[in-house]
This record gives sequence, C-alpha cells and structure tokens, in this order.
Amino acid sequence: AQTVTQSQPEMSVQEAETVTLSCTYDTSESNYYLFWYKQPPSRQMILVIRQEAYKQQNATENRFSVNFQKAAKSFSLKISDSQLGDTAMYFCAFIGRSNDYKLSFGAGTTVTVRA
Amino acid sequence: NAGVTQTPKFRILKIGQSMTLQCTQDMNHNYMYWYRQDPGMGLKLIYYSVGAGITDKGEVPNGYNVSRSTTEDFPLRLELAAPSQTSVYFCASSKWTGVNTGELFFGEGSRLTVL
Repeated sequence: AQTVTQSQPEMSVQEAETVTLSCTYDTSESNYYLFWYKQPPSRQMILVIRQEAYKQQNATENRFSVNFQKAAKSFSLKISDSQLGDTAMYFCAFIGRSNDYKLSFGAGTTVTVRA
Repeated sequence: NAGVTQTPKFRILKIGQSMTLQCTQDMNHNYMYWYRQDPGMGLKLIYYSVGAGITDKGEVPNGYNVSRSTTEDFPLRLELAAPSQTSVYFCASSKWTGVNTGELFFGEGSRLTVL
C-alpha cells in the first residue's frame, strides 16, 4: 500500500502570515498525481491543488502553492496571506498505477488561522 | 450539475440493524469510491469500483458490501451494524481522461451512529 505521511498534526498561523504543510510519500512509479484537499468544519472535501508528477513546474492556485520535490518524494503546501476561512484540516493524497488508482490519504494536518 | 450526491446525511442505527447508503454521480465518471473517516483521522478506503459491474475491496471492507449496476450509482450496504461502524462516510468519483484526470469529487458525507 502507498504511504503518505503528514508529520504535523496541528499548525497555527496568524492571519495574513504564511504557513507550510509538509507531506512525504513512498512510490517507485515515475508518473502519478498528488493532491492537497481541504476539509473545513462543514466536513466537505475540497480540492486545493493538484500536481502531476511528470510536470516539473510547481502548481499554484491563488494563495496556495506547492513545493514538489520528486527525487525526495516531498510535496509541501504553502498557504500565503492566510485567511480565517483557511482554518481546516488539510490532507495530502497520492494516486497512481501502483495503488490501482485509489487515492491514498495522509493523516491530515489541522490548520488554525488566528485573528 | 449536482456532482456526487449521498443520502442520507445523518442516520442513527441500533446494533444489528442494516442499512444502505446511497451514492449517485452525474459526471459519467467510471471510478467510484467509498471512504470512512473516524473523528480526527484521515480517510480509509472501504470499497471502490472501476466501472459498472466491477467492484473491489479497499483497506477496511469488513462489514460492508457494495454493488455497481450502473455507471451513476454505487450504494454501500452495512449488514449487522456494529458500534465500530460509527463514522462519517464519503462517496467519491473520478475519471482518468481529459481535464481533472485523477481528481476525486466528493459527496457531502453521511454521518452514521450505531448505538
């Protein structure tokens, strides 16, 4: 089974500041997809950003960006200019041929944005 | 466009009862999934399907059954409910062609309590 590791159970950040969430994964594949999902208190799973492993350029979506280090199998998420609405649990996820295209999730990181 | 629809959103069961969680998607996605999420934890895969008539077990299939008679529908059946099945259940779907390849689209979740 694929392993996705999020080593930070909780993080706190001041509004307007930047926070970085770490994620590492284990695979022997060269082509796969990585995602960050956000789960606010409403419980809805919301896609934040996606990265295709064959693309070297780091994905960016507005205030969210990733640092994808393929050789190191690292996929960190940076939230810039944090807003109160960013308070949520964030999950890193991997999907690829080696796990039969089933999304494997990390344990999650709870982010709290302080006013 | 409704996306992924799950019903019911909330349900309380007594030990030993059975029930079916319904899931339907209108995006013509070939892949569908059922995950469960225990409090403060990540998502664990129960069952998944790669197309009508094809289903397979995930990490935690015991106590559950699924069927996939159509592309749109993927119901999850709980037989002989146990307290350990108290959780939030998410249905999701995905496709592997074109835009949004690999991205999972989630339903809003179903909170199940077994007493």
